[in-house]
Amino acid sequence: LAKTTQPISMDSYEGQEVNITCSHNNIATNDYITWYQQFPSQGPRFIIQGYKTKVTNEVASLFIPADRKSSTLSLPRVSLSDTAVYYCLVGDLRAAGNKLTFGGGTRVLVKP
Amino acid sequence: GAVVSQHPSWVICKSGTSVKIECRSLDFQATTMFWYRQFPKQSLMLMATSNEGSKATYEQGVEKDKFLINHASLTLSTLTVTSAHPEDSSFYICSARGGVRGHTEAFFGQGTRLTVV
Repeated sequence: LAKTTQPISMDSYEGQEVNITCSHNNIATNDYITWYQQFPSQGPRFIIQGYKTKVTNEVASLFIPADRKSSTLSLPRVSLSDTAVYYCLVGDLRAAGNKLTFGGGTRVLVKP
Repeated sequence: GAVVSQHPSWVICKSGTSVKIECRSLDFQATTMFWYRQFPKQSLMLMATSNEGSKATYEQGVEKDKFLINHASLTLSTLTVTSAHPEDSSFYICSARGGVRGHTEAFFGQGTRLTVV
């Protein structure tokens, strides 16, 4: 899997938009970009996945530029319950033998 | 999304005993399962990858004789921590991928908090 770099932590306030950028300079052609959210003492939860351009679902948007060397997870109007660690992973899990390894993640703290 | 169930959620055991953790994919066939451990305030560390019906592939530094992984069916993988010691106390998480069309993402269990006393 391609190595990823994310900010260690970010603070925000309720109602604001939070944008977390992940760098993945050596992303491969078949790699997808996937974001997970983890609360303390819980397993990671899938948030969103994309390959290129923009993907939006009910909880987040994912922006991927044309060169795919970075991606930005956008959380609109965060609430206190969005306080968590967010992980960006890059890879192609469909390929047999490929592993799923985590980087450091971004610790997001939403303040009242 | 797909559901992965991990059991137990927490366990306390005495030093020297063995503990088994189960990971089940409830609504899909998991061709690949991953096992992780996570220490407080740290990221998930991959321990091993297992494919159904074959031996697990362990990451460097992970003792395969201590952390026994069995992936006997497409819906069940187990991690057995043998002769547990206090330093094995950690949060263990499983993940699974598969599905008829081949998932592009993995789904995670809720984790197991192991405390060795």
